[in-house]
Amino acid sequence: AQKVTQAQTEISVVEKEDVTLDCVYETRDTTYYLFWYKQPPSGELVFLIRRNSFDEQNEISGRYSWNFQKSTSSFNFTITASQVVDSAVYFCALSGYGGATNKLIFGTGTLLAVQP
Amino acid sequence: ETGVTQSPTHLIKTRGQQVTLRCSSQSGHNTVSWYQQALGQGPQFIFQYYREEENGRGNFPPRFSGLQFPNYSSELNVNALELDDSALYLCASSSQGMKETQYFGPGTRLLVL
Repeated sequence: AQKVTQAQTEISVVEKEDVTLDCVYETRDTTYYLFWYKQPPSGELVFLIRRNSFDEQNEISGRYSWNFQKSTSSFNFTITASQVVDSAVYFCALSGYGGATNKLIFGTGTLLAVQP
Repeated sequence: ETGVTQSPTHLIKTRGQQVTLRCSSQSGHNTVSWYQQALGQGPQFIFQYYREEENGRGNFPPRFSGLQFPNYSSELNVNALELDDSALYLCASSSQGMKETQYFGPGTRLLVL
């Protein structure tokens, strides 16, 4: 079975602090994809990043960085120097190869509140 | 913006009624997926359509059905609405293939009274 766990339900930080959002996944597939999406209060899920299971290189995009560790089945997301506009719910998701679809399995999300 | 649009934005129905939600895909995308997101939860996969055929289905009863049209737009139909159907319904479009990213629309908030 495939599963994504985001143990942090809510995180509150003060602007300019760094924050890391944790994601642990379970899958029996050898080929899979991991994603992070951002959901602001408006409700739309905004795509942030996709990684495949064969690429364990960490990635940095501006203030965002991602740490993929296959050995611990984790795909953590760090925001450096957080800003109020980063306040949102963040979802980690998994897409496996066990079927015809690229359906996404989502975690329960982490609500990030950045205080000014 | 992703180019994926959904209508209506909000909807209120009563138990037992039927509802149709609509989605227009991003240009160039031939695959549409629908998700249900209950309050405080992550989205749950309902089904996916590729070239007008259902391509996979999640753990939802048959009263959840869908259509995809030749222009790749899509409908989600829910019959015999129940109170637990109250949720945000999200549509996502993508190109076919497991490695393709899904891009989401703004969602339709359905309230069943």
